[in-house]
Amino acid sequence: QSALTQPASVSGSPGQSITISCTGTTSDIGGYNYVSWYQLHPGKAPKLMISDVTSRPSGVSNRFSGSKSANTASLTISGLQAEDEADYYCCSYTSSGTPYVFGTGTKVTVL
Amino acid sequence: QVHLQESGPGLVKPSQTLSLTCSVSGDSISSGTYFWTWIRLPAGKGLEWIGRIYSTGSTYYNPSLNGRVTLSLDSSKNQFSLKLSSVTAADTAVYYCAGEPDSGDNWFDSWGQGTLVTVSS
Repeated sequence: QSALTQPASVSGSPGQSITISCTGTTSDIGGYNYVSWYQLHPGKAPKLMISDVTSRPSGVSNRFSGSKSANTASLTISGLQAEDEADYYCCSYTSSGTPYVFGTGTKVTVL
Repeated sequence: QVHLQESGPGLVKPSQTLSLTCSVSGDSISSGTYFWTWIRLPAGKGLEWIGRIYSTGSTYYNPSLNGRVTLSLDSSKNQFSLKLSSVTAADTAVYYCAGEPDSGDNWFDSWGQGTLVTVSS
């Protein structure tokens, strides 16, 4: 199945808020509330930031929040900090092919 | 969460078999707590789910890999492994092992740091 669509890059100044979109279909995002988001820093283990669309795992800053509308999920980072500069990937449970499909990835740059 | 660490050759020749191992600490791979998973990140592309194995040995593979994937468990070493046959340059990627909790949760809460595998002669 096709990857979920994310913007290649998003940038913002420290303290600002940014939102990363993740667009799929009714077979994945639109059909299930099983969207998760991951933060990737080079050379480090990826980190789960959001699960089940809106849930924030223990230890994740409350500056990170998730939402969903129809076939599009979103990750919002408020109060942007230098340490938030990383690649972010969405992931959804899917009813076609594999159990999970990932997004194309978004590079977040803190200006 | 558990701690995961990938290991294996960083360079594989075309047409050969890529072999990686994931060492698990903090849980037994036989406990049934997790689906043990492999995910990869090709350069310039997005993450790709490769497959998973359960404590029973039950497996589920990505059909797009056309039957080239084999996952296995080694309970004596608390490790699980990936074999990808007939590799080409398109298989060059950072390979991650990950854990998906077997509690009805649909996410990956434990990941290894990843290991880069390059396919080149």
